[in-house]
Amino acid sequence: AQKITQTQPGMFVQEKEAVTLDCTYDTSDPSYGLFWYKQPSSGEMIFLIYQGSYDQQNATEGRYSLNFQKARKSANLVISASQLGDSAMYFCAMREGAGGTSYGKLTFGQGTILTVHP
Amino acid sequence: KAGVTQTPRYLIKTRGQQVTLSCSPISGHRSVSWYQQTPGQGLQFLFEYFSETQRNKGNFPGRFSGRQFSNSRSEMNVSTLELGDSALYLCASSLGLRSGEQFFGPGTRLTVL
Repeated sequence: AQKITQTQPGMFVQEKEAVTLDCTYDTSDPSYGLFWYKQPSSGEMIFLIYQGSYDQQNATEGRYSLNFQKARKSANLVISASQLGDSAMYFCAMREGAGGTSYGKLTFGQGTILTVHP
Repeated sequence: KAGVTQTPRYLIKTRGQQVTLSCSPISGHRSVSWYQQTPGQGLQFLFEYFSETQRNKGNFPGRFSGRQFSNSRSEMNVSTLELGDSALYLCASSLGLRSGEQFFGPGTRLTVL
């Protein structure tokens, strides 16, 4: 079973508009972390935002916010005021485990290609 | 603060050869993880090192190995290269604590001919 599901292979948005990239996850572990990364065509993975399973508030980082709905197991990324430079592949990822055995192991979704139109 | 660095950035090898990739984490980070990215399989976890010990391993054959040095720099080695090993190999570093974010390097693009 897929642990991280990104159902949108591609998304289009007009410059300056907001866009939501979907991510659902599956885990039975009560302690986990959720990440979003941006990968431009250069290949480098750029960390955007992190949400811990016990965090009470949704994470925000500048124009990025994470809409965390724990009961629905979803962690959607919201990008406000899109810019042309936001065009890239976006990955949702999860780290499971409270016991310290999987600190560095991220499970990634298949990604969503975001294209921002002028 | 310098980011994660990976060398070399590009590499071309032939089948049967072996290759060593290097990763220097962010200063102060003690955990280094490696990932393979291919169009078909996406991003897959290879292994993670913390304080010179392999702490976690993904589902890859024994041809893939790694190590970490006392300064936290890490290397991964792939022996007897196959065409399917052509991929972008990404290294990520973190403090190693439970809530630490992972920061990735620019990757090494390996092509096996």
